[in-house]
Amino acid sequence: KQEVTQIPAALSVPEGENLVLNCSFTDSAIYNLQWFRQDPGKGLTSLLLIQSSQREQTSGRLNASLDKSSGRSTLYIAASQPGDSATYLCAVSWDSNYQLIWGAGTKLIIKP
Amino acid sequence: DTAVSQTPKYLVTQMGNDKSIKCEQNLGHDTMYWYKQDSKKFLKIMFSYNNKELIINETVPNRFSPKSPDKAHLNLHINSLELGDSAVYFCASAAGGPGTGELFFGEGSRLTVL
Repeated sequence: KQEVTQIPAALSVPEGENLVLNCSFTDSAIYNLQWFRQDPGKGLTSLLLIQSSQREQTSGRLNASLDKSSGRSTLYIAASQPGDSATYLCAVSWDSNYQLIWGAGTKLIIKP
Repeated sequence: DTAVSQTPKYLVTQMGNDKSIKCEQNLGHDTMYWYKQDSKKFLKIMFSYNNKELIINETVPNRFSPKSPDKAHLNLHINSLELGDSAVYFCASAAGGPGTGELFFGEGSRLTVL
């Protein structure tokens, strides 16, 4: 059964710290993996998309890595800011139909 | 300058009614999707359209009918609404064919059936 797990469920850190969010998945034969953030009452904002052939993607202070053999992806946030506070979701697709399997998310709070 | 916009954002209606949720994307994407967010906050795909053609039709009741007048629009029509249809529905789009490209989501439409 294809599943996606995100740990921790919640994380609170002081502003300025670097942090890592984890996403693990069963079945290494993924098609792609995407990280999103969701702000309360709002939609999903795409952060980074990693295709199965890629090892990492970077956008600004964000870096996402993919290790298919161990079934893991990490989202690294450098120099965290209060505006980074949101729920971060990992979604994995195992086929081209974009039937996404979602993790439950990590709620991140950055304390000023 | 919203990329993917859904209307209405909130919809409250009685059981048995028929309602529609509209979705428009101005990104020039070829593929559009409808997802339903379940009670555990997971998003499950309902439909996918590529250039106005239905690609995916997951196991949803046939009371749900998507309509794509052009590739920039994918509307969701629901007949004979039931209590269990209450949920947040998300529209999304992506460049390229199904399963390719980065997904861009709308802000969601919260449907409440009384």
